[in-house]
Amino acid sequence: EIVLTQSPDFQSVTPNEKVSITCRASQNIGSNLHWYQQKPEQSPKLLIKFASHSVSGVPPRFSGSRSGTDFTLIIDGLEVEDAAVYYCHQTSNFPHSFGQGTKLEI
Amino acid sequence: EVQLVQSGGDIKKPGESLKISCKGFGYNFATYWIGWVRQRPGKGLEWMGIIYGGDSDTRYGPSFEGHVTISVDKSNNTAYLQWSSLEASDTAIYYCSRRLTGNYFDFWGRGTRVTVST
Repeated sequence: EIVLTQSPDFQSVTPNEKVSITCRASQNIGSNLHWYQQKPEQSPKLLIKFASHSVSGVPPRFSGSRSGTDFTLIIDGLEVEDAAVYYCHQTSNFPHSFGQGTKLEI
Repeated sequence: EVQLVQSGGDIKKPGESLKISCKGFGYNFATYWIGWVRQRPGKGLEWMGIIYGGDSDTRYGPSFEGHVTISVDKSNNTAYLQWSSLEASDTAIYYCSRRLTGNYFDFWGRGTRVTVST
């Protein structure tokens, strides 16, 4: 079973800041890592697919990168509406798995 | 328009059984997987398992195998998640989501809230 460990668990940030959230996989998953945003009382929403590929309709301030088994979600120019919990998700091997989540407070 | 319509919330007692559903609209159900994700109150997302709409190939997360059953009715474009004996720890919101082979969850249902309490 592949374990995804996110850091930090919680971050208090201010508008216009540049924020990085990391996700470390316990073994090689290639680029089969995706990022989701979940706001209160809503279903998760796909932000980044395959580590660094943009998703239609998602603002360009969201981007992703990969270095080996370390993945980073970057929000460049944080907006108030970005207050949410962010999850990474691997689909390399069954069983798939999620990171524990990172809560951004703005 | 793609839709995943989930069944309504339910309140059950420990030991009771339950079956919740997720019906797909607006796409070829047989060419997608449907996954189930648990979210306990105030907690994160947990991958429970997944089933392929075409041939019912099913995989479970290690924490869920033996405790839940995932099934599909291809003729009705509907996936199911069921329990034979609920526990209080099953209290959660359950989301279904679709996935193409080799891909990510691209579309999500709104969730079904299950409460298990005496």
